[in-house]
Amino acid sequence: QKEVEQNSGPLSVPEGAIASLNCTYSDRGSQSFFWYRQYSGKSPELIMSIYSNGDKEDGRFTAQLNKASQYVSLLIRDSQPSDSATYLCAVIPPGNTPLVFGKGTRLSVIA
Amino acid sequence: EADIYQTPRYLVIGTGKKITLECSQTMGHDKMYWYQQDPGMELHLIHYSYGVNSTEKGDLSSESTVSRIRTEHFPLTLESARPSHTSQYLCASSEQGVYGYTFGSGTRLTVV
Repeated sequence: QKEVEQNSGPLSVPEGAIASLNCTYSDRGSQSFFWYRQYSGKSPELIMSIYSNGDKEDGRFTAQLNKASQYVSLLIRDSQPSDSATYLCAVIPPGNTPLVFGKGTRLSVIA
Repeated sequence: EADIYQTPRYLVIGTGKKITLECSQTMGHDKMYWYQQDPGMELHLIHYSYGVNSTEKGDLSSESTVSRIRTEHFPLTLESARPSHTSQYLCASSEQGVYGYTFGSGTRLTVV
């Protein structure tokens, strides 16, 4: 059973703080990792992708991947109230199979 | 502009009716997917396709069918709608390879 685990939250952070979102996956051979942001009532939006160990930065977002620990994280620096959303971690397992999504972590940034 | 389109955005329909949810993309993506999502809940894969005349079932496929006659078009059909089908239906597409998905805006279906 391919699994992607996330803490459901809510994770509450004050405006301007760093929000840290975590994800673990069960299939060691997984090769591609993604973070999606989903506002209430809207569809998921791809915000970060990472394919190799280490950090990848894009503006206020940093994705971190540790394949040995089967762990992916997303850091949001200088969090804004507009970052309040559910963040979905997604993983492509080995083989030609669809993305496996986690259940999402709800983030609330308090002004 | 390359995009993925879903119609209708909202649909209210009576129990027992047959409905087709439309999904089209102009990005030339070979892979397309249908997901069901209740408010605040996780995504469930219903069906997916990796190319014309190729379709596969996901986790919640037993009460719906799909077709893929053209690369850009991937409609989802419910033969007999039930109140349990009330949900948001999301279509997505991706390139060949290990790339992320682009989602459409969704269809919010209510069966009364």
